[in-house]
Amino acid sequence: AAGVIQSPRHLIKEKRETATLKCYPIPRHDTVYWYQQGPGQDPQFLISFYEKMQSDKGSIPDRFSAQQFSDYHSELNMSSLELGDSALYFCATDVYEQFFGPGTRLTVL
Amino acid sequence: GNSVTQMEGPVTLSEEAFLTINCTYTATGYPSLFWYVQYPGEGLQLLLKATKADDKGSNKGFEATYRKETTSFHLEKGSVQVSDSAVYFCALSDLGRGGFQKLVFGTGTRLLVSP
Repeated sequence: AAGVIQSPRHLIKEKRETATLKCYPIPRHDTVYWYQQGPGQDPQFLISFYEKMQSDKGSIPDRFSAQQFSDYHSELNMSSLELGDSALYFCATDVYEQFFGPGTRLTVL
Repeated sequence: GNSVTQMEGPVTLSEEAFLTINCTYTATGYPSLFWYVQYPGEGLQLLLKATKADDKGSNKGFEATYRKETTSFHLEKGSVQVSDSAVYFCALSDLGRGGFQKLVFGTGTRLLVSP
């Protein structure tokens, strides 16, 4: 069965650079959630989209923005990267339960 | 707001031992409850879920019962295997703006099973 696809799987950036993470949901899933999991931490909700509109917002820094496109894939854009942004970023899609992608591990040096 | 509290790890067991990982929650309304498992270097996999009080979720020998009276959703397995070594997250669904669910996670419990 098709799963949630995230790219890239690993990303290394320098401080103050920008990064773009992509999420491709399961076909026919129109809702996308983004979570951030710091080292040794639990996942924290960042933002979600439904039918290309932002549906909810959590603890997402102003330096981050996200959008969902007409094919329902979503991109998380991160600017002015800081060391503390190093984390595993998950996206999830759902109908009645959330299916998680494998995550993108971002390392900021 | 809604929250989840899990027992701290690591939990260290020998193979075939009985496992319990405690999880309690605070919520308004009637959330669904979940256990997710994360193997080293991998993403989150749904292990089991329960959507209403007294429901029992089960999968791969793991079980958890939604106890509204004690606001708990403890994870149990009768006989653990080395391959069960992972981090286990308890989570609840939290109704956000627009009526969409987001997950609130506990801090995770690392399970280490030795041969």
